[in-house]
Amino acid sequence: KQEVTQIPAALSVPEGENLVLNCSFTDSAIYNLQWFRQDPGKGLTSLLLIQSSQREQTSGRLNASLDKSSGRSTLYIAASQPGDSATYLCAVKSISGQNFVFGPGTRLSVLP
Amino acid sequence: GAGVSQSPSNKVTEKGKDVELRCDPISGHTALYWYRQSLGQGLEFLIYFQGNSAPDKSGLPSDRFSAERTGGSVSTLTIQRTQQEDSAVYLCASSPGQYNEQFFGPGTRLTVL
Repeated sequence: KQEVTQIPAALSVPEGENLVLNCSFTDSAIYNLQWFRQDPGKGLTSLLLIQSSQREQTSGRLNASLDKSSGRSTLYIAASQPGDSATYLCAVKSISGQNFVFGPGTRLSVLP
Repeated sequence: GAGVSQSPSNKVTEKGKDVELRCDPISGHTALYWYRQSLGQGLEFLIYFQGNSAPDKSGLPSDRFSAERTGGSVSTLTIQRTQQEDSAVYLCASSPGQYNEQFFGPGTRLTVL
C-alpha cells in the first residue's frame, strides 16, 4: 500500500529566501507525481506534474524533481513571496492503484 | 475554459438527513475523483470514475455513501442518514485520463448538526 509523507509539516521563512519542500513515498512503482497548493478554505491548485520517466519539471519560480528509485520528490521555490503562503501537497499515482495518494502537506508561511 | 465546479458550496443539514453533492468536471475529462478533507486532516480518497464506471470504490467509508456518474460527465455523491462525523469538505477532481494531471473544484463544505 502506497504511503506518502511530507517534511517539514510547517515552515516559516522571511520573504526572498529559497526553500525546499520534501515528499517521500514508499512504493516506487508510480506513473506520476503531482504537486498542489491549497489556500485556506479553498480547493487545490495544480502546480506541477512529473511523469515517472522525468527527472524534473519547472514552472516560473517553481522546480520539482523526482527520484523514483529512492521514493523522493522535492519542490524548490525560488525567491519566496508572501503570496506563496499556503499548504503544499504532493500526490502519487501508483501503478498498483487506481487513485492518487496524497501526503499530509507542508504549511508554508512567507513573512514580509 | 471553465474549470471543475461543485454545488452547493456549503450545505448544513441535520443528522439523519440525506444529502446530494454535485460535481461538474471539465468538459471532455474522462476521469473523475471524489475526496474528503476533514478539519485539519489530509485528503481521503473516496471513489474514482473512468467514464461512467467506477473501477475503484475502495475509499467509500460506509454503505451510506454512494456515487454515480451519468453521460460521462456530471457526478453526484450521495450520503444517506448523515452523521456528525460526515462533516468535512468534499472535493471533486477531473482529469483527461487516469494518468494525467488532476484539476480540482472548490469543494462543498458539509456540516451535519
